Amino acid sequence: DIVMTQTPLSSPVTLGQPASISCRSSQSLVHSDGNTYLSWLQQRPGQPPRLLIYRISNRFSGVPDRFSGSGAGTDFTLKISRVEAEDVGVYYCMQATQLPLTFGGGTKVEI
Amino acid sequence: EVQLVESGGDLVQPGGSLRLSCAASGFTFSNYWIHWVRQAPGKGLVWVSRINSDGSSTSYADSVKGRFTISRDNAKNTLYLQMDSLRAEDTAVYYCVRDSSGSHWGQGTLVTVSS
Repeated sequence: DIVMTQTPLSSPVTLGQPASISCRSSQSLVHSDGNTYLSWLQQRPGQPPRLLIYRISNRFSGVPDRFSGSGAGTDFTLKISRVEAEDVGVYYCMQATQLPLTFGGGTKVEI
Repeated sequence: EVQLVESGGDLVQPGGSLRLSCAASGFTFSNYWIHWVRQAPGKGLVWVSRINSDGSSTSYADSVKGRFTISRDNAKNTLYLQMDSLRAEDTAVYYCVRDSSGSHWGQGTLVTVSS
């Protein structure tokens, strides 16, 4: 199984300031079809997860442009350009290049 | 609007069985792979199972293989998870998830395995 490792575990942030979360996979996430199936999910308190970013850097429908994703191979980053109060929650990276789908352990973003 | 609505969660004794359902609407259900993902209280996300679009292919996490069965009825736009020989460690909120990018998640249904 591909192991996904996120850092930091917790990220105290200041409103209006940037935040960054890293995710590293135990092996390359480049699929044989040439795509890299790395997604970022947000889980607000008491809510199900919600897709923010898919295939490394594509913002999902309705996701604010302050969220951006980057990376390649085994190293990926989610950035929030200016943190807002509604961004509080836990963020997960997820790989779907190979079954089983695997998730990072989560990064808690708190003000 | 895409909607996934899980149901069937309950309190069950160890060794018991439950069948979860996930009713889909707002998209062509038969075109998509669907996954089950679970989350134990206060813990992270763990993939459980997946089924391809026509139901001909399934996969399971090692922890549930031989105990859980995923299936779908495309005529009813519904996904199922038959859970047998339940253990305390199966206690979790179970989510159905559309496609492998995780584009849409249901609200989840709570399964509690306890005596």
